[in-house]
Amino acid sequence: ETGVTQTPRHLVMGMTNKKSLKCEQHLGHNAMYWYKQSAKKPLELMFVYSLEERVENNSVPSRFSPECPNSSHLFLHLHTLQPEDSALYLCASSQDGGGREKLFFGSGTQLSVL
Amino acid sequence: GENVEQHPSTLSVQEGDSAVIKCTYSDSASNYFPWYKQELGKRPQLIIDIRSNVGEKKDQRIAVTLNKTAKHFSLHITETQPEDSAVYFCAASRPPGNTPLVFGKGTRLSVIA
Repeated sequence: ETGVTQTPRHLVMGMTNKKSLKCEQHLGHNAMYWYKQSAKKPLELMFVYSLEERVENNSVPSRFSPECPNSSHLFLHLHTLQPEDSALYLCASSQDGGGREKLFFGSGTQLSVL
Repeated sequence: GENVEQHPSTLSVQEGDSAVIKCTYSDSASNYFPWYKQELGKRPQLIIDIRSNVGEKKDQRIAVTLNKTAKHFSLHITETQPEDSAVYFCAASRPPGNTPLVFGKGTRLSVIA
């Protein structure tokens, strides 16, 4: 275990559903990230939060909505997704959000959109 | 912005042989270059990193070299073992300190026993 826990591990949803992915880190880190991993674009950065403030939003469609209520928890709210959004969604954390820090990844949520 | 190219996309080697994965980057200001390993069905994990003030770094069977002039860096794995089979990602980051990493597309390494 790396100290970053993601739930659920697998999720199947229809295009009209609303679901949320959850990430929790027990490392005392100040920064958390969402990455999308697919065959076409491995490890694509979606969002970065540092001290609960969003510092990066990589032109992600509005059907993905992040939430960071505190430095230990990160959510990704999903609604009206498309089949091409099917992918592995990885959460990560690091000490302070600097690009030159070690990232600690969770195990990911494998999402399938039908 | 930064662009990281990684080659090859797949690599097969015999157990005991060496493996080399190469990456190039576009932003000359980048100064931090980590490598992550992702075994099948598992999370990516940092295996080694290098900063631009050094040209080479070793950790047992793995080493990374950096050529700032040519803007490329490489991962070298010697005496490969079946447990080295995984996807390897290179990445680059530039100052300021809060600029996120940009990853390459990954190399799937297969070590054949």
